Amino acid sequence: EDQVTQSPEALRLQEGESSSLNCSYTVSGLRGLFWYRQDPGKGPEFLFTLYSAGEEKEKERLKATLTKKESFLHITAPKPEDSATYLCAVQEDSGTYKYIFGTGTRLKVLA
Amino acid sequence: DTAVSQTPKYLVTQMGNDKSIKCEQNLGHDTMYWYKQDSKKFLKIMFSYNNKELIINETVPNRFSPKSPDKAHLNLHINSLELGDSAVYFCASSQEGSMSPLPTYNEQFFGPGTRLTVL
Repeated sequence: EDQVTQSPEALRLQEGESSSLNCSYTVSGLRGLFWYRQDPGKGPEFLFTLYSAGEEKEKERLKATLTKKESFLHITAPKPEDSATYLCAVQEDSGTYKYIFGTGTRLKVLA
Repeated sequence: DTAVSQTPKYLVTQMGNDKSIKCEQNLGHDTMYWYKQDSKKFLKIMFSYNNKELIINETVPNRFSPKSPDKAHLNLHINSLELGDSAVYFCASSQEGSMSPLPTYNEQFFGPGTRLTVL
């Protein structure tokens, strides 16, 4: 069965303390892997799409990487405004192209 | 300027009532979705429409019925509401290119959510 697992569930960092979030996936065929950020009371906001193993994308303090079994979201020198829940989703390449979301990592960056 | 909008933002109702949530997107996307986010923040897909055609219908009770009058709108009607229906419901849209196997810019754009509370 297709599955997406994110770890850790929650992460507290000091401002400037770099770290990585993990997204492990099991899917019969991968059409794309997506990272989203969700702030409390809001809908998820798109960050990155990765399509093939070895691909990397960067945006400000965030960098996403992809292998055949997992993706990492690296946060370099985080700031308090990076505090949010980060969601990973995979889109399968079956006929319905369904998206499957992980349960997210709640990140808190302390000043 | 709102890309994906939902109404209402909050919905409080009694068990057994029937209610609807509306969703509209102005991005010109061809695919729209309904998700349910539970108290643990897990986002689970309920329905997906591509060019007004239902393509994903997860194991959702028959009390939930989506309707897509056109590509820009996907509404969700819920009959005989139950306590367990309380959650945040998100609408989303993406451009899937008629389900082409080669994806281009197929990220999803989400609405602000509708918090449904069933008393």
